[in-house]
Amino acid sequence: QVQLVQSGAEVKKPGASVKVSCEASGYTLTDYYIHWVRQAPGQGLEWMGWFNPHSGGTNLVQKFQDRVALTRDTSINAAYMELHRLKYDDSAVYYCARSPTVVYYFDYWGQGTLVTVSS
Amino acid sequence: DIQLTQSPSTLSASVGDTVTITCRASQSVGSWLAWYQQKPGRAPKLLISKASNLESGVPSRFSGSGSGTEFTLTISSLQPDDFATYYCQQYNSYWCSFGQGSKLEIK
Repeated sequence: QVQLVQSGAEVKKPGASVKVSCEASGYTLTDYYIHWVRQAPGQGLEWMGWFNPHSGGTNLVQKFQDRVALTRDTSINAAYMELHRLKYDDSAVYYCARSPTVVYYFDYWGQGTLVTVSS
Repeated sequence: DIQLTQSPSTLSASVGDTVTITCRASQSVGSWLAWYQQKPGRAPKLLISKASNLESGVPSRFSGSGSGTEFTLTISSLQPDDFATYYCQQYNSYWCSFGQGSKLEIK
């Protein structure tokens, strides 16, 4: 069965970087897009952008374009989201989610990774 | 950017009731709209794609309708498991966005 399993919770200081992994099983990573969605405590869902694991192409919301890097390792069927220059308001649960390549609804989600930015 | 506005933000209902949540888009998204259910501490779950396509395994008491700028999610004969937060999401272009969420509470 399809699963997306994310890495564990992180606590980082302001200005640091965090890298979240999303390991796919039950399907081939390159056959679907991976999206990243975050949710601040008590808030709604915020779409950050998508990653095409086949080509390595990305499309990020403007506010993240200079701070987020999306990558993959096809040998282990995993995708990664790295967020640089962390700010306090980056504290959130970060989700990876899968979509078909041409229509971006999310049929499978990772369990979420809590990132806490604290001094 | 396409903005999605859900109403109501919170609603209270009883088991057995029928409820409707509305999602309005700032510009047409065609039928490229999905609905998700999220419970506390859990990832969202896809209920409906392309405005009205019920995902496999989702109970038939959930239904979606609409096109263009106005969409609805209807849950008939509410069950205890349905009390959660619901989000709409548009995927009309290379960009996606979510509504702010509608929390369904037990009356």
